[in-house]
Amino acid sequence: SQTIHQWPATLVQPVGSPLSLECTVEGTSNPNLYWYRQAAGRGLQLLFYSVGIGQISSEVPQNLSASRPQDRQFILSSKKLLLSDSGFYLCAWAPRASGNTIYFGEGSWLTVV
Amino acid sequence: AQSVAQPEDQVNVAEGNPLTVKCTYSVSGNPYLFWYVQYPNRGLQFLLKYITGDNLVKGSYGFEAEFNKSQTSFHLKKPSALVSDSALYFCAVRGLPGGGKLIFGQGTELSVKP
Repeated sequence: SQTIHQWPATLVQPVGSPLSLECTVEGTSNPNLYWYRQAAGRGLQLLFYSVGIGQISSEVPQNLSASRPQDRQFILSSKKLLLSDSGFYLCAWAPRASGNTIYFGEGSWLTVV
Repeated sequence: AQSVAQPEDQVNVAEGNPLTVKCTYSVSGNPYLFWYVQYPNRGLQFLLKYITGDNLVKGSYGFEAEFNKSQTSFHLKKPSALVSDSALYFCAVRGLPGGGKLIFGQGTELSVKP
């Protein structure tokens, strides 16, 4: 069966520091991968998605970037964090075919202080 | 553009009563619709989806949803609510173009009281 791992679960970082959140998927190949952010415990905003190694689509302009160095690895990064980057970050994956379900990881809480 | 609306921020139900969480959508073409549930400080869990076929879709934990094309709705239902159903519920539609990404509604907080 497929599983998704996301870490770290919780992170407190000072303003201006770098960020790296990692996500890996097991038990599948060629998945679509996604990074969402949930602010204020509600709305989910798609940040990035990837349909293959090195292929990243950005949904909104922001202080963050994403990379996919391996087929089942997705990394969310920032060179200098802002207070507004605080939130709950969710990695997700889906099989490539249209109509397939997206499955989420357990999320990473980021607090920028 | 694809969009989803959940008109109720919160739904309160007594345990044992039926529950409905509302969702309306706007898409071009045939909609792919999903429901997810989120417990506090957790990721989203998939409940059910409509792609094609029968308008009544059955999912996990006794939940079901009815696709209504004329009303562009996809309401989530359960015949008898449990206290453990209390959580945040999200409706989503597959966005276009490409990537299979989901566009989510703002979420509805379901509170089931004993």
